[in-house]
Amino acid sequence: EVQLMETGGGLVQPGKSLKLTCATSGFTFSTAWMNWVRQSPEKGLEWIARIKPKSTNYATEYAESVKGRFTISRDDSKSSIYLQMNSLKEEDTATYYCTILYVYWGQGTLVTVSS
Amino acid sequence: DIQMTQSPSFLSASVGDRVTINCKASQNINKYLNWYQQKLGEAPKRLIYNTNNLQTGIPSRFSGSGSGTDYTLTISSLQPEDFATYFCLQHNSFPDTFGAGTKLELK
Repeated sequence: EVQLMETGGGLVQPGKSLKLTCATSGFTFSTAWMNWVRQSPEKGLEWIARIKPKSTNYATEYAESVKGRFTISRDDSKSSIYLQMNSLKEEDTATYYCTILYVYWGQGTLVTVSS
Repeated sequence: DIQMTQSPSFLSASVGDRVTINCKASQNINKYLNWYQQKLGEAPKRLIYNTNNLQTGIPSRFSGSGSGTDYTLTISSLQPEDFATYFCLQHNSFPDTFGAGTKLELK
């Protein structure tokens, strides 16, 4: 059974940093294209970052809204991906999901950016 | 970015009704269009992929159609468990973009 679980969300002040983790199991993680998608009442669902497998030299892609502030990474030995979020803004407040090709999704972790 | 215009935003219907939800892309997306159902507090669930392919385990009352810029999700006979929010996703052009959602409510 494919499972994804996001952790690391919470309340953080604007300008601060937070790191999310998505731990996975039940599939061949090392060849998977992994994504972060966030959802807020204001913006709806928004793809924000992708990391490809080792065969692509772990190529990454970002939405313009987070480029330069967020970094996606992966650890194939732990079947996990990460999202390092720096210089957080109030508009980054959302539930953050990891997903494999938009088929399997985690349950999400809530990030609230507020002073 | 490709804009996905989803309509209607809200839909009231009764059990047994046939309903359609539409997504219009700002340019041709070559049938790379998925449909998702989301219930409160849950992650999105893929119903249909690449316009008209039913995800394994999804009831056959769900179907999709379309081409070019216009796509439709049809639920042939609403069941109580179908009252939820529905989203489309285009994955033809970077960045992948979602519709704003259709909330399907019980009339």
